[in-house]
Amino acid sequence: EDKVVQSPLSLVVHEGDTVTLNCSYEVTNFRSLLWYKQEKKAPTFLFMLTSSGIEKKSGRLSSILDKKELFSILNITATQTGDSAVYLCAVGTSGSRLTFGEGTQLTVNP
Amino acid sequence: SQTIHQWPATLVQPVGSPLSLECTVEGTSNPNLYWYRQAAGRGLQLLFYSVGIGQISSEVPQNLSASRPQDRQFILSSKKLLLSDSGFYLCAWSFSQVNYGYTFGSGTRLTVV
Repeated sequence: EDKVVQSPLSLVVHEGDTVTLNCSYEVTNFRSLLWYKQEKKAPTFLFMLTSSGIEKKSGRLSSILDKKELFSILNITATQTGDSAVYLCAVGTSGSRLTFGEGTQLTVNP
Repeated sequence: SQTIHQWPATLVQPVGSPLSLECTVEGTSNPNLYWYRQAAGRGLQLLFYSVGIGQISSEVPQNLSASRPQDRQFILSSKKLLLSDSGFYLCAWSFSQVNYGYTFGSGTRLTVV
């Protein structure tokens, strides 16, 4: 059975802090790893990673994948209150299916 | 561009009542379609997915069923709701290749009372 584990499950920081969210996986037929941000409603796409060691970056957010050790991290620098959300990690396998982790609830306090 | 519509946004239903949630996609043909449930704002559990009209795969045995009567329409149903069916239901679509990721609908918050 495919498995995706995220840690920590919740995190409370102050504005300006840097955070690192973790995602490890055990799946068959790995194809991609995706990060989503979910506020009130639908998850919104952040990154898709398919190759090890290549950092994806968007503003203050960045992510990297290690296919040998089977994990990914999502970094957020200089956090803002608007970064408060649930961050979901998902792994894509054959047949275009995604298996999601439990998510990390990030709270950024002013 | 592609868009996905899901309704209703919120729903309060009594135990034992039927359910019908609808999802439609515009701007693409033959999408893969998915129904997920999210409990307590955490991880997403895949309920059903479909790769074509009339083709439904069920991931977990439950009180729910899904149908795809048209290429870009996906319906989640129940004949008799249980309290445990409460949750946040998300419809999503993807191209046939997972490398493009999923796009989610805005979700339906279902409360069974």
